[in-house]
Amino acid sequence: DLQMTQSPSSLSASVGDTVTITCRASQTIYTYLNWYQQKPGKAPTLLIYFTSTLQSGVPSRFSGGGSDMDFTLTINNLQPEDFASYYCQQSYDTPFTFGPGTKVDIK
Amino acid sequence: EVELVESGGGLVQPGGSLRLSCAASGFTFSEYSFNWVRQAPGKGLEWVSYISSSLRTIYYADSVRGRFTISRDNADNSLYLQMNNLRDEDTGLYYCARDAVDTSGYHSLDNWGPGTLVTVSS
Repeated sequence: DLQMTQSPSSLSASVGDTVTITCRASQTIYTYLNWYQQKPGKAPTLLIYFTSTLQSGVPSRFSGGGSDMDFTLTINNLQPEDFASYYCQQSYDTPFTFGPGTKVDIK
Repeated sequence: EVELVESGGGLVQPGGSLRLSCAASGFTFSEYSFNWVRQAPGKGLEWVSYISSSLRTIYYADSVRGRFTISRDNADNSLYLQMNNLRDEDTGLYYCARDAVDTSGYHSLDNWGPGTLVTVSS
């Protein structure tokens, strides 16, 4: 099965910062990569699909990039509502594995 | 507005069974594929199962294959997960998630329910 890793597992940042989260697949997944945001006590929401396409309603300060095995999620000008956990997910092959998550909290 | 609401969770002993349901509204249910995703307490997300809109394609995670069965009733706008021979490690919050699979076969989970909690314990 495809394995997904993320780094860092957690980070502390301040409002206004730019943060980058990395996701790596155990084999090429081309651009079959989604990103989800999950706030405490809430269901995940889709942020980005197909590596870099923002889901409707997602602010433009979020961006995604990468291909093959290495991907990034970047949040520019971090806002208070962005403090959450972020998960990548590959949709190239079943099982549609998620990364272990990255928790972004307030410095 | 798209709405997904799971139900059917609860406390069950190891080896027991539960049937989860997901009621959908606000869109044409029969046109979409669905997934079940679970999250153990304090842990990350684990994909569990997928069913296509036509019911022709079904997938399972290795951890549940042979014990869980996904199904749907397009006439009732409902998704189900029959869980048998439950284990301690099946404990978690179970989400149903709509799959915005496109014509090229690209999958993304674009709407999620709030989840239903399953606790397997003696």
